[in-house]
Amino acid sequence: GAVVSQHPSWVICKSGTSVKIECRSLDFQATTMFWYRQFPKQSLMLMATSNEGSKATYEQGVEKDKFLINHASLTLSTLTVTSAHPEDSSFYICSAHNAGRPSYNEQFFGPGTRLTVL
Amino acid sequence: AQRVTQPEKLLSVFKGAPVELKCNYSYSGSPELFWYVQYSRQRLQLLLRHISRESIKGFTADLNKGETSFHLKKPFAQEEDSAMYYCALKPSGNTPLVFGKGTRLSVIA
Repeated sequence: GAVVSQHPSWVICKSGTSVKIECRSLDFQATTMFWYRQFPKQSLMLMATSNEGSKATYEQGVEKDKFLINHASLTLSTLTVTSAHPEDSSFYICSAHNAGRPSYNEQFFGPGTRLTVL
Repeated sequence: AQRVTQPEKLLSVFKGAPVELKCNYSYSGSPELFWYVQYSRQRLQLLLRHISRESIKGFTADLNKGETSFHLKKPFAQEEDSAMYYCALKPSGNTPLVFGKGTRLSVIA
């Protein structure tokens, strides 16, 4: 149980286009999801916290107009990278918070989406 | 501010040797501490958490509040333990995990 999926697993796009990444909790409801970014051989950097039915909370330095987050249901959050540029190329990982027992407070991670902007 | 420090970027040990991956944290309250592992080409997965006090795959970690440490230990390393290990802190409730920079463990046969 407690599986998080992401789609697509990888995407290549041209500079200036927008890319949408989906994150789904498959067998539990996630009131909160988190979006991380991971550069090669580096740690995960939190980008934003996504709460179902409300606006996302962005970390300092993350442009909310560039990285649009929508958490319309308890099982789906989307991250849209708008007007993507090569510097946006990265590995994007979502994580869903499962407040249910016995895995109380545990975050479950998706497999990640590798974005390459040409 | 909360912070997690993993001083070693890379740790190489021989198979059968003991392993200790260091983790120190700074947080004014009582956080929950975790160790996550990321095997090659796989997603991040929970290895253990301090409140469960259990041993997973032979790994243990004890929270030392006095030293603000949560070091990960295993008495005898195995080749399949080679992976990236991340120490993480969760301040409370619904807040996101704060990760250290990670330590790459390489177990040499």
